[in-house]
Amino acid sequence: DVKVTQSSRYLVKRTGEKVFLECVQDMDHENMFWYRQDPGLGLRLIYFSYDVKMKEKGDIPEGYSVSREKKERFSLILESASTNQTSMYLCASITGQGGFKPQHFGDGTRLSIL
Amino acid sequence: EDQVTQSPEALRLQEGESSSLNCSYTVSGLRGLFWYRQDPGKGPEFLFTLYSAGEEKEKERLKATLTKKESFLHITAPKPEDSATYLCAVQGVETSGSRLTFGEGTQLTVNP
Repeated sequence: DVKVTQSSRYLVKRTGEKVFLECVQDMDHENMFWYRQDPGLGLRLIYFSYDVKMKEKGDIPEGYSVSREKKERFSLILESASTNQTSMYLCASITGQGGFKPQHFGDGTRLSIL
Repeated sequence: EDQVTQSPEALRLQEGESSSLNCSYTVSGLRGLFWYRQDPGKGPEFLFTLYSAGEEKEKERLKATLTKKESFLHITAPKPEDSATYLCAVQGVETSGSRLTFGEGTQLTVNP
């Protein structure tokens, strides 16, 4: 079974802090994704990566950056946290090799910015 | 731009009362449609992939169907443990990478 692990289930930070959210997958997947999920808005893609050191902006990248130094790890960075970044953050991964496969999700990090 | 609309937003059923959830989509060319289940405080869990109109997939009390414009998730004789939020997502042929576009979900509550 694919395992996507997000380092924190709950996180409370202050406005202006630099925040790191970590995600690790154990299936050697090429593609990894960061979403945020808000009531009434569904899942929205922030950034994704299709290989080490490769990244592409999703639909709402403003205020975020990402890092992928190793294949199994994809980090989301809030450069200067703001209250409107309070949300549930979900990481997902998928193989890039052949076929049409579903994304596998972690259990999320609920981030509160005070 | 791909779009997904799910209805209703919320649905309350009595145990054993069958019903359907709707997912309407607009996509330039459909590569595939996914259904996920999400429990409170958890990430989405994959249920089904549908590729072409007319296709059907079943798992226990759930059956997913697909037309050219929408997908239905039919729930037959639901039980309280079927309570969850059900998410629909699409991938179009012109979408880069493995990006998905998600709907807002339907929150299902099944009362005993």
